[in-house]
Amino acid sequence: KQEVTQIPAALSVPEGENLVLNCSFTDSAIYNLQWFRQDPGKGLTSLLLIQSSQREQTSGRLNASLDKSSGRSTLYIAASQPGDSATYLCAVNKMRGTYKYIFGTGTRLKVLA
Amino acid sequence: DTGVSQDPRHKITKRGQNVTFRCDPISEHNRLYWYRQTLGQGPEFLTYFQNEAQLEKSRLLSDRFSAERPKGSFSTLEIQRTEQGDSAMYLCASRLGGNTEAFFGQGTRLTVV
Repeated sequence: KQEVTQIPAALSVPEGENLVLNCSFTDSAIYNLQWFRQDPGKGLTSLLLIQSSQREQTSGRLNASLDKSSGRSTLYIAASQPGDSATYLCAVNKMRGTYKYIFGTGTRLKVLA
Repeated sequence: DTGVSQDPRHKITKRGQNVTFRCDPISEHNRLYWYRQTLGQGPEFLTYFQNEAQLEKSRLLSDRFSAERPKGSFSTLEIQRTEQGDSAMYLCASRLGGNTEAFFGQGTRLTVV
């Protein structure tokens, strides 16, 4: 059974810091992994999608890496800003047996001005 | 096209009443998902459609829940005889086939009183 864990559960950093959010999954047979951002009371905004054959993806100040064999992905945020404050969720899509995305519980990030 | 649209955004209902939510996916997205999210948790999978076919359904979906996607376009999620434990954010997502990004709507927040 696929389980997804995100560490830390919450993080508070001063503006300008570079930071890393971690996502681990127990079954390496994944199709892809997607990172999302969620603002309080809102839906999910897609940030990055990494295919199982890829090692990393970049979008602006965001960089996501994937190490499928060790069951880990990291989301790197450069030069953090107060507007980055949100909950960050990772989700894995398994290769076989199911169509669903399985989510972690998220990392709640607060960037202090 | 402005993305995945969900209606209503908020719903307050009395215990025992039936409620129905609607999701309009991004045009041409043939894959559609329903998720439920409670406070502080990641989204939990409810059901998945490929075109009009409901191909996967979670055990979380009791017989009080039903989802449809007539003609493979919009989808509805109905909850019969609502209970307080049904209070949550209900999220809809859509994507194209293959290894593509999932896009989420803003969700419907259900409060059962």
